[in-house]
Amino acid sequence: ETGVTQTPRHLVMGMTNKKSLKCEQHLGHNAMYWYKQSAKKPLELMFVYSLEERVENNSVPSRFSPECPNSSHLFLHLHTLQPEDSALYLCASSQDQTGTAGPETQYFGPGTRLLVL
Amino acid sequence: GQNIDQPTEMTATEGAIVQINCTYQTSGFNGLFWYQQHAGEAPTFLSYNVLDGLEEKGRFSSFLSRSKGYSYLLLKELQMKDSASYLCAVMDSNYQLIWGAGTKLIIKP
Repeated sequence: ETGVTQTPRHLVMGMTNKKSLKCEQHLGHNAMYWYKQSAKKPLELMFVYSLEERVENNSVPSRFSPECPNSSHLFLHLHTLQPEDSALYLCASSQDQTGTAGPETQYFGPGTRLLVL
Repeated sequence: GQNIDQPTEMTATEGAIVQINCTYQTSGFNGLFWYQQHAGEAPTFLSYNVLDGLEEKGRFSSFLSRSKGYSYLLLKELQMKDSASYLCAVMDSNYQLIWGAGTKLIIKP
């Protein structure tokens, strides 16, 4: 399989549930990102990992917990979410963390459509 | 603050030409990206501009004017498959991508 894959593609969960989103990149990249995309709003960067180390956390609530066990895999663990967390969660990767060698193009997965009831 | 503005929605006719504008105000500039996103799918990279001028890539072209904080994406010979959202993003001085909300392009026969 090529590119960036995400599972599940759709997820419905209650506010007391715990679930995890998975992202896998097959591009040999060293940096991975989690974004939140809400309708008619700009993409919001949530987390950035470079070489498996978290380098950025844009003040995301603690109910979102990322995990990057290796440079190919990225998880987003979810617990006690709120209805306003319903959105499309996109994973992306780039060759290196943007900035270390100049601008890097990010390649996206298809996203997980999350609905919190 | 940092801001990217692009129209929310545009409509065009199959076979025609459409120009999607993007204006930006950011802390520094390290390039501007355009992405295409079909409904329910991943954003896919279209173009990157860091110098002023026009970059042509088949039916799609992207223009940048850094002095005006302005870019446009030009789509020629529109096809029904071009119906999608087009996202403008600017890389700021910290190499962080600042995103616009996207322009939904509707193509009519």
